[in-house]
Amino acid sequence: EVHLVESGGGLVEPGGSLRLSCAASGFTFSSYWMHWVRQAPGKGLVWVSRINNDGSSTMYADSVKGRFTISRDNARNTVHLQMNNLGAEDTAVYYCARSLNGYSYFEYWGQGTLVPVSS
Amino acid sequence: DIQMTQSPSTLPASVGDGVTITCRASETISRWLAWYQQKPGKAPKLLIYQASSLQSGAPSRFSGSGSGTEFTLTIRSLQPDDFATYYCQQYERYPLTFGGGTKVEIK
Repeated sequence: EVHLVESGGGLVEPGGSLRLSCAASGFTFSSYWMHWVRQAPGKGLVWVSRINNDGSSTMYADSVKGRFTISRDNARNTVHLQMNNLGAEDTAVYYCARSLNGYSYFEYWGQGTLVPVSS
Repeated sequence: DIQMTQSPSTLPASVGDGVTITCRASETISRWLAWYQQKPGKAPKLLIYQASSLQSGAPSRFSGSGSGTEFTLTIRSLQPDDFATYYCQQYERYPLTFGGGTKVEIK
């Protein structure tokens, strides 16, 4: 059974940094693209970033480009999101999700981790 | 960016009703569209991909149709478990974008 478990969320001050992790199990991790999607409180879903199966290609939403970095460790079945220079607009639940490589819809989602940005 | 517009934003309905949600893309996306169901405090769940393909495990009362710029999600005979928020998502091109959501609520 596919499991995605996010960790690393928590309260951070404006301008601060945080690193989210997503531990995957139940499938051959190195064969799939992985994504981060976020949802601000009471709002809709927003795609954040994507990494391909071997980590050689990444993409970002304009709103996070230059501040966030997605990476993966296929030996540890983990994907990370390094978030720098956080602002109040980054407050959200962050979900990791798996897509079927070039078909970028999200077959499986983690339970999410909350990142409040506040002083 | 491709804008996705859902209507209505709220849909009051009763158990047993048939309901239809519409999703319009700002430019053609062929059939590269997915639908998700989300309940409060939970992660979204994939219902439909490629506009009309039912995800394994999703109930058969859910169906999707459309191509190009206009798509629909239909729930045949609404069940108590179906009261939730539904999102469409295009995957024709990055950045991937979602519709604003349709909340199906009890009438």
